[in-house]
Amino acid sequence: AQRVTQPEKLLSVFKGAPVELKCNYSYSGSPELFWYVQYSRQRLQLLLRHISRESIKGFTADLNKGETSFHLKKPFAQEEDSAMYYCALGQGAQKLVFGQGTRLTINP
Amino acid sequence: SAVISQKPSRDICQRGTSLTIQCQVDSQVTMMFWYRQQPGQSLTLIATANQGSEATYESGFVIDKFPISRPNLTFSTLTVSNMSPEDSSIYLCSVEEEGTIQYFGAGTRLSVL
Repeated sequence: AQRVTQPEKLLSVFKGAPVELKCNYSYSGSPELFWYVQYSRQRLQLLLRHISRESIKGFTADLNKGETSFHLKKPFAQEEDSAMYYCALGQGAQKLVFGQGTRLTINP
Repeated sequence: SAVISQKPSRDICQRGTSLTIQCQVDSQVTMMFWYRQQPGQSLTLIATANQGSEATYESGFVIDKFPISRPNLTFSTLTVSNMSPEDSSIYLCSVEEEGTIQYFGAGTRLSVL
């Protein structure tokens, strides 16, 4: 079965420190991976997807098929990065399977 | 990206009643999705709604409990029927654009007493 695992429910780092939010997936086909973010009192929004291979707000994520991972990274955390982050796997007909989410808190 | 309006934003309902949630998009979209987010949980897909055909439900969700309408390419409704406290959740609609990206509404926070 398709599954997305985000092992950390909570992650707290200091401003300026590197951030890595972990995401592992299981999928028999060719995966399409996404990171969605939900800031306080805002709707869920797309942060980035693996096929675009771009950096958004300083975040990057590389798809590692060997390790079935799609970890989200940022070299220097900022306070405005505090939010809920969801890793999601796209399946046929574009259905999304979401991980449990990681609440990231950036301490000043 | 599409602008998605979802109504109501929140409601408190009595056990045994039904609530219909509306999702309006400012552009025509082929695929719309309905998700549920139970307290402290992640999002779970309820069903996929395509205009002109019956909704496709995921395992664990049935049409009698969550009837969906999709009368045109800009609108859909989800009804939560015969509610119980276990139905207390956030319900979200989303639309697909650019082939694979989903954009979400703000959600409907439902509390069932």
